[in-house]
Amino acid sequence: SQQGEEDPQALSIQEGENATMNCSYKTSINNLQWYRQNSGRGLVHLILIRSNEREKHSGRLRVTLDTSKKSSSLLITASRAADTASYFCATDGSTNAGKSTFGDGTTLTVKP
Amino acid sequence: EAGVAQSPRYKIIEKRQSVAFWCNPISGHATLYWYQQILGQGPKLLIQFQNNGVVDDSQLPKDRFSAERLKGVDSTLKIQPAKLEDSAVYLCASSLGDLPGQPQHFGDGTRLSIL
Repeated sequence: SQQGEEDPQALSIQEGENATMNCSYKTSINNLQWYRQNSGRGLVHLILIRSNEREKHSGRLRVTLDTSKKSSSLLITASRAADTASYFCATDGSTNAGKSTFGDGTTLTVKP
Repeated sequence: EAGVAQSPRYKIIEKRQSVAFWCNPISGHATLYWYQQILGQGPKLLIQFQNNGVVDDSQLPKDRFSAERLKGVDSTLKIQPAKLEDSAVYLCASSLGDLPGQPQHFGDGTRLSIL
């Protein structure tokens, strides 16, 4: 079964607005990563947050992690049409550190 | 640096036929992954290699799927015989190693359609 579950499944916003996606997971983790997937393409790594971190920024991306609630959120500020994609969270394995378990993603549509 | 290369990009076969996919990871990446991604879902790990050894193949349907990574570089994934439920995108990814937090680099996948 999938470790991470993203919410919402789909999100549609206007260009310039902020987009927030959430990820919940079941078991303890060492790291959580977010990936983006454009239609017909492979996944692209966006950002990693470690279990001892609460917040991380990268350009227009802000990721938070709440290990007590076993949840993470990805905020994209000032969204652009080019941000239209599916976004996945991935959690690492407890026994296999190199294994990432992906959720089913949030599909973001940014309207120009 | 060159990315992860996969071929073919698309493949259409009939059920019970065989098919093979090829992956060339980023140079120097010791860890290679094959994922199956069904439409509307996230990638599901099929097999993970560290150099030419298998680290995890617990979700590989071994009665019909096989994979190898000879010489620890390129890899092939084979399905024989294919079933309708195998229609999916097969993604290959690589990373420097299997340490915690290593980002994975993905190819664009092979889209498989079973008729």
